[in-house]
Amino acid sequence: GDSVTQMEGPVTLSEEAFLTINCTYTATGYPSLFWYVQYPGEGLQLLLKATKADDKGSNKGFEATYRKETTSFHLEKGSVQVSDSAVYFCARGWNTGFQKLVFGTGTRLLVSP
Amino acid sequence: EAQVTQNPRYLITVTGKKLTVTCSQNMNHEYMSWYRQDPGLGLRQIYYSMNVEVTDKGDVPEGYKVSRKEKRNFPLILESPSPNQTSLYFCASCQGTGYGYTFGSGTRLTVV
Repeated sequence: GDSVTQMEGPVTLSEEAFLTINCTYTATGYPSLFWYVQYPGEGLQLLLKATKADDKGSNKGFEATYRKETTSFHLEKGSVQVSDSAVYFCARGWNTGFQKLVFGTGTRLLVSP
Repeated sequence: EAQVTQNPRYLITVTGKKLTVTCSQNMNHEYMSWYRQDPGLGLRQIYYSMNVEVTDKGDVPEGYKVSRKEKRNFPLILESPSPNQTSLYFCASCQGTGYGYTFGSGTRLTVV
C-alpha cells in the first residue's frame, strides 16, 4: 500500500552543521508532499510543501525538492540552530479526490550548541 | 487567528467511561480529520470528514466514533475507552488538495 519512509533518528548535530533527513514515498500518481515539524509539547506545524514534480518547497531555511524519479522528498538545511531541535514528519497527501494524509514515523533532530 | 482548537489538552479517565474530545476550526475548511500519535508508529488516521454529514473510516477506526453536524466542529467520541486507546490525539482541518492540514495542539488521553 501507499507509505512514507523516513530515516531513523535521532539525528544529532552541532549548531551550524548541514542537515539532511531522507524521505521516500510510494503512491499512485503524483501526490502532494509535505514536511511537518513538531516542537516539544506542541502540535504539528506545516514546514513546507510541494505539489508537483521538481517543485521545491522552502521555509525558515529548510528546503525539499519533489523528485519523481526517485520518489523522494528529502529535507535539507544548510546551517541548523539549537532552536531547530524537534521531530520532523514527512507526509504524502493526495492528488485527486480526497485520501488520508500518510505520515512517516518521524525523525527527531537534536542540535547542540 | 486561524486555528484548530481541541479540548481538553489532557484527560485521564477510567476504562469504559464514555468521553468526547471536541474539535473546532475557524477557517471554513471542508476537510477535517482525527489522528492518533504513538511512539514508533507516527501518526495514524482514525476518521476523516469531507463535509457536513460526510465521514469515513481511516486506518484505525475501531473503538471511535465521530460526527460532523456543523462544518466547524468534528468531535471524537470514545464510547467505552480501553487502555490501548491511551495516546496523543490530534484534530486537523484542510482547505483542499495540496494545501496540507492545520493541526490542533493535541489531547493527551490516558485510560486506566
